[in-house]
Amino acid sequence: GAGVSQSPRYKVAKRGQDVALRCDPISGHVSLFWYQQALGQGPEFLTYFQNEAQLDKSGLPSDRFFAERPEGSVSTLKIQRTQQEDSAVYLCASSLGVGDYEQYFGPGTRLTVT
Amino acid sequence: KQEVTQIPAALSVPEGENLVLNCSFTDSAIYNLQWFRQDPGKGLTSLLLIQSSQREQTSGRLNASLDKSSGRSTLYIAASQPGDSATYLCAGAQGGSEKLVFGKGTKLTVNP
Repeated sequence: GAGVSQSPRYKVAKRGQDVALRCDPISGHVSLFWYQQALGQGPEFLTYFQNEAQLDKSGLPSDRFFAERPEGSVSTLKIQRTQQEDSAVYLCASSLGVGDYEQYFGPGTRLTVT
Repeated sequence: KQEVTQIPAALSVPEGENLVLNCSFTDSAIYNLQWFRQDPGKGLTSLLLIQSSQREQTSGRLNASLDKSSGRSTLYIAASQPGDSATYLCAGAQGGSEKLVFGKGTKLTVNP
């Protein structure tokens, strides 16, 4: 079946622009996660949704970062007034349930802020 | 704050060798643990999940174990192949939190 998909795969933004990154989780998956991966590092948690409820946003680095999942399926991560330090790969993951479930990752969106 | 260390950071071996990758958590209260591989420029592929009631998991040539008393996990790869070349990441979740905390990974190169 289809895995997690993300779009766009690559995004170049000028400093100060707003960007929106989309994640389509595996159909029926309750949990959805966003992670940020800097070059040469492991992914770092940004935020977590259970259905449409955002239950943990402790990893969002600033109030310029905003995520939503209004109908409990597709999610969008928005970054306002992008800065160079926002350049990274943004990974989305989904899992079937809550707790002891495997997380499945999408291919990521590589954001470059110039 | 939970921190994850993966040793070694890089490993180069000839084809056919058995090898062990290590992962340790500063807080040993790990609820469950996943091992992933990441190919250059790609997302993460899940290899194994050790659930909360388990201590070990096997898939083909891969075996992962978790010692909850010490917060250490190992990934054993048998009879390595050039196609196993990738970065291997371990990640754990703690009770009461769904998020995964990742190590920096071990970059594995298997030479033909």
